[in-house]
Amino acid sequence: GAGVSQSPSNKVTEKGKDVELRCDPISGHTALYWYRQRLGQGLEFLIYFQGNSAPDKSGLPSDRFSAERTGESVSTLTIQRTQQEDSAVYLCASSLEASGSYEQYFGPGTRLTVT
Amino acid sequence: AQSVSQHNHHVILSEAASLELGCNYSYGGTVNLFWYVQYPGQHLQLLLKYFSGDPLVKGIKGFEAEFIKSKFSFNLRKPSVQWSDTAEYFCAVTGGAGGSYIPTFGRGTSLIVHP
Repeated sequence: GAGVSQSPSNKVTEKGKDVELRCDPISGHTALYWYRQRLGQGLEFLIYFQGNSAPDKSGLPSDRFSAERTGESVSTLTIQRTQQEDSAVYLCASSLEASGSYEQYFGPGTRLTVT
Repeated sequence: AQSVSQHNHHVILSEAASLELGCNYSYGGTVNLFWYVQYPGQHLQLLLKYFSGDPLVKGIKGFEAEFIKSKFSFNLRKPSVQWSDTAEYFCAVTGGAGGSYIPTFGRGTSLIVHP
């Protein structure tokens, strides 16, 4: 079956521009996570969606970052007024539920470069 | 908040050598433990996981990990590595004090196996 997909795979943008990153989770997965991975660093949690519950936004680094999810399908991560420190790989993952005991299935990531 | 330490950031081995990658977490209690692997050009994928029961967990491709509760550790091992094991390895934890279902990841260990 189809895995988690993300688009675009690469994005180069100028400082100050807004960007939108998209994630299509595995069908039937109620939980969806966004992470940021800077070069040589681990995965940094950004935001999490579980079904129709309010998202957990505790990992968002600033109010320039926001995300939406339509039901249990597509999610969009938006970064406004991008800064050079936003350059990173943005990973999306989904899981059946968010109980902590279900494995996560990761997408290929979006490599964002802010010039 | 939970934190995860992976002590070896870069490991270089020859084929047939034995491998042990360290992983320690900070908060005890009931935890779920994971090792994920990212092969060059591929997505992050699950290698093995521990939820309960036998603390020695077997995963794919001959990998195993041992949960030692008293040491807050979940080290990954393989008795004889192959060139195809070259990849980035990430340890992750859910649960512990506070019981967060959002995984906390270590910063990863880059393994290079020379043929």
